[in-house]
Amino acid sequence: DTAVSQTPKYLVTQMGNDKSIKCEQNLGHDTMYWYKQDSKKFLKIMFSYNNKELIINETVPNRFSPKSPDKAHLNLHINSLELGDSAVYFCASSQDGGSTQYFGPGTRLTVL
Amino acid sequence: DAKTTQPPSMDCAEGRAANLPCNHSTISGNEYVYWYRQIHSQGPQYIIHGLKNNETNEMASLIITEDRKSSTLILPHATLRDTAVYYCIVRVNNYGQNFVFGPGTRLSVLP
Repeated sequence: DTAVSQTPKYLVTQMGNDKSIKCEQNLGHDTMYWYKQDSKKFLKIMFSYNNKELIINETVPNRFSPKSPDKAHLNLHINSLELGDSAVYFCASSQDGGSTQYFGPGTRLTVL
Repeated sequence: DAKTTQPPSMDCAEGRAANLPCNHSTISGNEYVYWYRQIHSQGPQYIIHGLKNNETNEMASLIITEDRKSSTLILPHATLRDTAVYYCIVRVNNYGQNFVFGPGTRLSVLP
């Protein structure tokens, strides 16, 4: 009965590969998010998405793209992975874009 | 950049109240004060939020000063499992206004 779930929990891959991280929420929320937490532990927003609008943090490289097959899912695709992409990625959701966000358990990505 | 200032770390004895301060002197009239915490290696966990009035839920109490320039999160009876990084965030509740996490306060609950 996990509210916001992510798979995989750990992802180890080589530079240059393309990978995806999946996120699902069973809260009936209509807005979802992706955050990145780097080695310095700062948590930064990458994307905000509902069925009407995608807001992209301007600092996010276009190698990163969110894809939403339906309201309950927001997957993160990453092309041509770089060493600097190593981080923990958190998915979150909220009832609407203005309300409290609930976070998933995170995916630790390691690029070798 | 985060609009809040918090002490980098605090200690609290188990069973005692933990009082975590936060300064937000530039807060706007329509910005809420939110508190989240992050226990090691887990996702941030929502604790409580408020606009003007003090708030209480099953996890904590939030005390906001009358001028709204500072607030205090109170964990009434801290346990070892409350050891975490606590984030104070101010935010307008509109789509596109994201949560900006600063470095937070690392609370250590000691036995």
